[in-house]
Amino acid sequence: AQSVTQPDIHITVSEGASLELRCNYSYGATPYLFWYVQSPGQGLQLLLKYFSGDTLVQGIKGFEAEFKRSQSSFNLRKPSVHWSDAAEYFCAVGRNTDKLIFGTGTRLQVFP
Amino acid sequence: GAVVSQHPSWVICKSGTSVKIECRSLDFQATTMFWYRQFPKQSLMLMATSNEGSKATYEQGVEKDKFLINHASLTLSTLTVTSAHPEDSSFYICSAEGVSGGRAFRDEQYFGPGTRLTVT
Repeated sequence: AQSVTQPDIHITVSEGASLELRCNYSYGATPYLFWYVQSPGQGLQLLLKYFSGDTLVQGIKGFEAEFKRSQSSFNLRKPSVHWSDAAEYFCAVGRNTDKLIFGTGTRLQVFP
Repeated sequence: GAVVSQHPSWVICKSGTSVKIECRSLDFQATTMFWYRQFPKQSLMLMATSNEGSKATYEQGVEKDKFLINHASLTLSTLTVTSAHPEDSSFYICSAEGVSGGRAFRDEQYFGPGTRLTVT
C-alpha cells in the first residue's frame, strides 16, 4: 500500500540549531516527493520537490532535502532554524503532481 | 502568482443544513482543482479531483451525493456539504493547478488557506 510516514509528531528546537524532519514512504515506483509547510491561517506552501536528477534538493527559506532510494526516505533539513520556521510540515508523495498522499505532519516549535 | 483563496474561512451550520465552500484561483486559470479534508492532528485526505467543465472524480469512500463539487469555470470550484452532520465537521482545503499567460502552473498544487466547518 502507498503511504507516507512522518515518525515525529512534534519537534522542539532552539533558534539557531539545526533541524532534520524525517519522512519515509512506501510507493510502487519512484515517486514525486514534496515537502509543504502549513502556517495558521495560510495555505500549504511548497518548500521543495523532487522529481528526478540530483538527489539533494534545495528549496525556499534555506531548506533542503535528500532523496535516498535505498532507505525510501526524503528527509528535510535546515542548518539553522529561525523562530519564523515554527509551523506544521508535511511530506507528500505521488506519481506526479496529482493524487498526493500526505504524511500526518510534524509540528515544529522553536524556542528563542 | 498562483494564489488560491477560499471562502468562507470558517462557518458554523446546524445539523441537516447545507453549506457551500468556494475555492478561487486569483491569478491563473485552474484547469484542475483538488479538495482535501484534514482532521485535527491528521493528514490531508484527498476527497476529489475536478477538471473544469467535467464531473469530479471522487476518491474511494467519499460520498459524491453528500459532497457536491462543481468546477464550472477556470477560476472557481465549489464544494457543497449537503445535509451536514457533526461528523462532517472538519477543515476543508482546496488546491489548484493550471496555466496563466502561457505559463504552466502544473508542477505543483497551489493550496488555499482552508475552511473550518463546524456542524452543531
